[in-house]
Amino acid sequence: DAKTTQPPSMDCAEGRAANLPCNHSTISGNEYVYWYRQIHSQGPQYIIHGLKNNETNEMASLIITEDRKSSTLILPHATLRDTAVYYCIVRVTDGGSQGNLIFGKGTKLSVKP
Amino acid sequence: EAQVTQNPRYLITVTGKKLTVTCSQNMNHEYMSWYRQDPGLGLRQIYYSMNVEVTDKGDVPEGYKVSRKEKRNFPLILESPSPNQTSLYFCASSLTRRDGYTFGSGTRLTVV
Repeated sequence: DAKTTQPPSMDCAEGRAANLPCNHSTISGNEYVYWYRQIHSQGPQYIIHGLKNNETNEMASLIITEDRKSSTLILPHATLRDTAVYYCIVRVTDGGSQGNLIFGKGTKLSVKP
Repeated sequence: EAQVTQNPRYLITVTGKKLTVTCSQNMNHEYMSWYRQDPGLGLRQIYYSMNVEVTDKGDVPEGYKVSRKEKRNFPLILESPSPNQTSLYFCASSLTRRDGYTFGSGTRLTVV
């Protein structure tokens, strides 16, 4: 699976959009981009995933560049409860692979009042 | 409520005493997986299962066993726990290979 690079930490003001970047320059054609977050020591929470088109759900939007070498997770109106570690993961989901989730160090997002 | 339930949440045990951490999901998911989380090492996969009676090793399977006799349950067995298995354990499940995983709340295990 391709490796991802994320900034170790970011701050965001409450109510503003949080834009979390992720580089995955070695991503291959059959790898999806997934985002999870983990609040303190709770179980990771799935946020969103995509292949090449931009995706949006009730939690966030995922913007993937045309060359698929990077992506941005957008939390449109960050709240204090969005303070967490955010993980960007690329993962094969076809063929014989079970598509293990390989968690890196993620980005620690701090939402401030 | 759709969820993954792990038990117990906290467990302190002694070296060598066999234990089982249970995991159950009520979403009819095919895929289930166990992870451990350690400071500085992040989350690492122990075992996974793609369906009933189909299991395979993840990245750190040594010292662990699993079974998948029913779709909803995926217990993690430590036959002879050792202090290096002190960790925070998470069970997760997903409907298909492509869907996002739903994680349990975690089991904090201490082996003394």
